[in-house]
Amino acid sequence: DTGVSQDPRHKITKRGQNVTFRCDPISEHNRLYWYRQTLGQGPEFLTYFQNEAQLEKSRLLSDRFSAERPKGSFSTLEIQRTEQGDSAMYLCASRGMGFGTEAFFGQGTRLTVV
Amino acid sequence: AQSVTQLGSHVSVSEGALVLLRCNYSSSVPPYLFWYVQYPNQGLQLLLKYTTGATLVKGINGFEAEFKKSETSFHLTKPSAHMSDAAEYFCAVSLQTGANNLFFGTGTRLTVIP
Repeated sequence: DTGVSQDPRHKITKRGQNVTFRCDPISEHNRLYWYRQTLGQGPEFLTYFQNEAQLEKSRLLSDRFSAERPKGSFSTLEIQRTEQGDSAMYLCASRGMGFGTEAFFGQGTRLTVV
Repeated sequence: AQSVTQLGSHVSVSEGALVLLRCNYSSSVPPYLFWYVQYPNQGLQLLLKYTTGATLVKGINGFEAEFKKSETSFHLTKPSAHMSDAAEYFCAVSLQTGANNLFFGTGTRLTVIP
C-alpha cells in the first residue's frame, strides 16, 4: 500500500485554460474526498464520493468544477476556464468505512493560474 | 453547523519547552475530533483523534490532547518540543452523519527555537 497518490504535484496554467487532476486512493478505501487549501487557511471541503457515487458537493464547487470517480477507484477533478482565484493546493483524501476512521491525505496538487 | 477555532496562528517555543496548541469547536451533535500535522508542500498526517471513550488521547511523536466537553475544547500538548515538531497543525471536527467530512481550523504554525 503506497498511500494516496496525486498527480501532478504542480501545475501552472494560463487563465482560461482547463486543468485536470488525478487522485489514486488507498485501494481498499471506498470513501474519497477533495479539499482545497489556500495560503494561511485550513483545507476546505469540496466534494465526497462513496464508491463511484458523488454524494455531496460544497457550495465552493462552482459550475466550472467537476469531479468523477469511475468504477469507484481513482478520481479526477477538472477545472474549466481557470481563474486566478483557483490558485490553491488541491488535496485528496481517502477513508475506509466508519465515522471515526482516519482520513489519509495525498501530497496535493499545487495549482498556479497566471 | 460545526466549526473549529484555533487560537494563535503562530506559536513559538524553545526546544525542550512545553507545546500547547489551542482548539475550540462548535457542534450541535457530539463530534469526532482530530489533530493533523502538515509539513511544507506535503499532505496532512494524522497525529491523534478522539471518537469515544477516554478523553485524554495519545498520538504519535509524543503528542496528546484532551477532549473537554464542558469547554468545547481539544487542545494539543507535548511536554518537550523538538526541532522536528516545527510544522503547521490543524484541528478538525467531523460529524457522525452524511459525508462525515472534516471541517478544519485555520491552522497554527509552530516554530521551535533552538
